[in-house]
Amino acid sequence: GAVVSQHPSWVICKSGTSVKIECRSLDFQATTMFWYRQFPKQSLMLMATSNEGSKATYEQGVEKDKFLINHASLTLSTLTVTSAHPEDSSFYICSASKGRRGEKLFFGSGTQLSVL
Amino acid sequence: DAKTTQPPSMDCAEGRAANLPCNHSTISGNEYVYWYRQIHSQGPQYIIHGLKNNETNEMASLIITEDRKSSTLILPHATLRDTAVYYCIVHSGSARQLTFGSGTQLTVLP
Repeated sequence: GAVVSQHPSWVICKSGTSVKIECRSLDFQATTMFWYRQFPKQSLMLMATSNEGSKATYEQGVEKDKFLINHASLTLSTLTVTSAHPEDSSFYICSASKGRRGEKLFFGSGTQLSVL
Repeated sequence: DAKTTQPPSMDCAEGRAANLPCNHSTISGNEYVYWYRQIHSQGPQYIIHGLKNNETNEMASLIITEDRKSSTLILPHATLRDTAVYYCIVHSGSARQLTFGSGTQLTVLP
């Protein structure tokens, strides 16, 4: 099956610093990637849709200036959490769509962010 | 997208079939039924999807009722590694519309 690689798998940072998370589609081109956030014992919540070569589309309530998304190539999207605070601590997951209609999603392994 | 209803948790004995139900009574004609699962602290994994016919792959079988208002995911011989949260999702094909509900926590018992 298709492989989506996400890095790093976990990161600990100090409050006020920025953290970059990478999401790569290893064996297919993904014009669209998605970023989710998941808090403990809760379901995934879509944060934004990352479109190659254009601006990301953010879901309601997600601060675009805080969660910077760059999708510079067909195989790489990055999420940067700027000026991270403890409330940003969460499990972040990316996914990329593959399929004739782009409907089948393949997910990265996730990044556990802990902000001290 | 149509909303889905799943039981919050289920247990299954190792080696037995695990049958996970999902209600989607408001599903529309162009919406597919998708199943994903998430093992603790990992990204979700695609399992199977279907429109109206029953589907089978190497991981599972998907049984969709004739009126398409409900479906059942069947893991024919559950193993301990199948312990995970299983999500039933219906959507029309735009991945942006993929909405995860609360899912079913399946625990496979030895």
